[in-house]
Amino acid sequence: RKEVEQDPGPFNVPEGATVAFNCTYSNSASQSFFWYRQDCRKEPKLLMSVYSSGNEDGRFTAQLNRASQYISLLIRDSKLSDSATYLCVVNAYTNAGKSTFGDGTTLTVKP
Amino acid sequence: GAGVSQSPSNKVTEKGKDVELRCDPISGHTALYWYRQRLGQGLEFLIYFQGNSAPDKSGLPSDRFSAERTGESVSTLTIQRTQQEDSAVYLCASSPWDLYGYTFGSGTRLTVV
Repeated sequence: RKEVEQDPGPFNVPEGATVAFNCTYSNSASQSFFWYRQDCRKEPKLLMSVYSSGNEDGRFTAQLNRASQYISLLIRDSKLSDSATYLCVVNAYTNAGKSTFGDGTTLTVKP
Repeated sequence: GAGVSQSPSNKVTEKGKDVELRCDPISGHTALYWYRQRLGQGLEFLIYFQGNSAPDKSGLPSDRFSAERTGESVSTLTIQRTQQEDSAVYLCASSPWDLYGYTFGSGTRLTVV
């Protein structure tokens, strides 16, 4: 079983739709959590951190459920420019300081 | 610098040749990471530096791969006797400290022919 698991999709949604991605992690000692966005043939870019209390950045909302060991990303009012692969990332001191990346969920927003 | 800089951006090499990839992290970032991404696949961890020490080399796929870092600045990833399966994008990232979010460079696209 992978340390970080994501539904690879693809998720195909119309503009304006609300879409949610989940990510599960296996290391209960995990301490920090992030969502990254990767456009085709580009490097990953940090989208947002994920906090236990949940956090929102414009149309994006991230939540963490430590008890069930999953994080989620909700995108409201999808735009064409949201089309990308979304990577879930988990950090733990027990992992020698490096992040564990999920393989990503691909989103395509269509007109 | 303003971001993580990698060079070259593209490299085509013949099988069996050695290549050296360079990464300039953001100034002041103590943690530096190398990842590899094959076409259509996820990120594969290679090596992590904290300062100029490498507490985790577990991801280096073979003894043909090596990396070093000078102080808390430039890092080089060297691949000796390149093979076709080494073809991938090699991504470098840096962060201010462990467990923090990363900033990635734009990568070096390596093609072994």
